Amino acid sequence: EVQLVESGGGLVQPGGSLRLSCAASGFTFSNYWMTWVRQAPGMGLEWVANIKQDGSEKYYVDSVKGRFTISRDNAKNSLYLQMNSLRAEDTAVYYCSRGRGYSSTWGQGTLVTVSS
Amino acid sequence: DIQMTQSPSSLSASVGDRVTITCRASQSISSYLNWYQQKPGKAPKLLIYATSSLQSGVPSRFSGSESGTDFTLTISSLQPEDFATYYCQQSYSTPPYTFGQGTKLEIK
Repeated sequence: EVQLVESGGGLVQPGGSLRLSCAASGFTFSNYWMTWVRQAPGMGLEWVANIKQDGSEKYYVDSVKGRFTISRDNAKNSLYLQMNSLRAEDTAVYYCSRGRGYSSTWGQGTLVTVSS
Repeated sequence: DIQMTQSPSSLSASVGDRVTITCRASQSISSYLNWYQQKPGKAPKLLIYATSSLQSGVPSRFSGSESGTDFTLTISSLQPEDFATYYCQQSYSTPPYTFGQGTKLEIK
């Protein structure tokens, strides 16, 4: 069964950092682009970042450029999102998903709350 | 960045109705348009990719089409499990791959 499981969310103060992880199973992780999408409470979906199979290409939405870093470890079948200089507006459920353009498989999400 | 505008933002319909949701792109996106369904507290689910290709396992009552920069999701005969929020997403050229603001489909 294809599965993605996010972890690492929690409560963090403004200006703080957090690292999200996504564990993949049931497919050959190294063959796929991977993507992070977030959803603020009661709001719509926002595409955040994606990364090529070998990590050689990475793209970000403007609002997180310079603060967030997407990475992956194909040996561990894992995707990461390092989030620095967090702001209140980064509060959201963060989903990892499989795919470059469209996301065919999604994790259950992990909640990040930025608040003092 | 490419902007995606969905309409309507909400919609009331009955079981058995035919429903259409529209998404307009701010520029040409070729056929790089995807549709997702999301139920409360759940992750989104891919329904249609590349305008009209049905994702595996998705019922055939869902279909997609395009006319220029306007894209349409049609549900031919609403079922109780279809009441949810629907999002379009463009995946043309270089990211970010923006989503529409969503359409909440409610029971009349």
